[in-house]
Amino acid sequence: DAGVTQSPTHLIKTRGQQVTLRCSPKSGHDTVSWYQQALGQGPQFIFQYYEEEERQRGNFPDRFSGHQFPNYSSELNVNALLLGDSALYLCASSFGAGGGNQPQHFGDGTRLSIL
Amino acid sequence: GESVGLHLPTLSVQEGDNSIINCAYSNSASDYFIWYKQESGKGPQFIIDIRSNMDKRQGQRVTVLLNKTVKHLSLQIAATQPGDSAVYFCAEIPNDYKLSFGAGTTVTVRA
Repeated sequence: DAGVTQSPTHLIKTRGQQVTLRCSPKSGHDTVSWYQQALGQGPQFIFQYYEEEERQRGNFPDRFSGHQFPNYSSELNVNALLLGDSALYLCASSFGAGGGNQPQHFGDGTRLSIL
Repeated sequence: GESVGLHLPTLSVQEGDNSIINCAYSNSASDYFIWYKQESGKGPQFIIDIRSNMDKRQGQRVTVLLNKTVKHLSLQIAATQPGDSAVYFCAEIPNDYKLSFGAGTTVTVRA
């Protein structure tokens, strides 16, 4: 039973570029959430997708956007990259419309470095 | 603003001893709490959860205690092992689906 998988594992970009990160949820899960984790910090919520719609959003600018596909997989897009976007980007999946009371399971993340 | 926080950023424990990791939360609307373990280079791993209608829940070698009166959460690890060395996060979910994490406690197990 595959857990949450993310790709790529590492990525290096330069300022101003755009990046797309990908996530496949755990089997049986239909809800995907994205988090940004800076070094030495806890993960910060970016947004959550359910039924291909963005359901909740954290305090991140519009440069951060996402998408969920009919097979529940998801993408995170970041435009006009800044040095401060360097972080570990985590995807978490869970089940059900009431995502607030179901455990979210995380992938191992994509390490994004901005030069 | 409201946040989840851990009392101590680091904890050193002797192998075989019990560990207690504490967490204070401030959002009284939170009704679901999760403890995660994060090892270097990996994503957070689910350990145990607890809902606000409970004050204690036990898993394998772990116990979570919830005190809603003082908004306090703790994770107890029995017979701590070297493999328990990691960063531990408590996370709360108010009724809006967003997991809110504290900064974490780094647990180091001494042989």
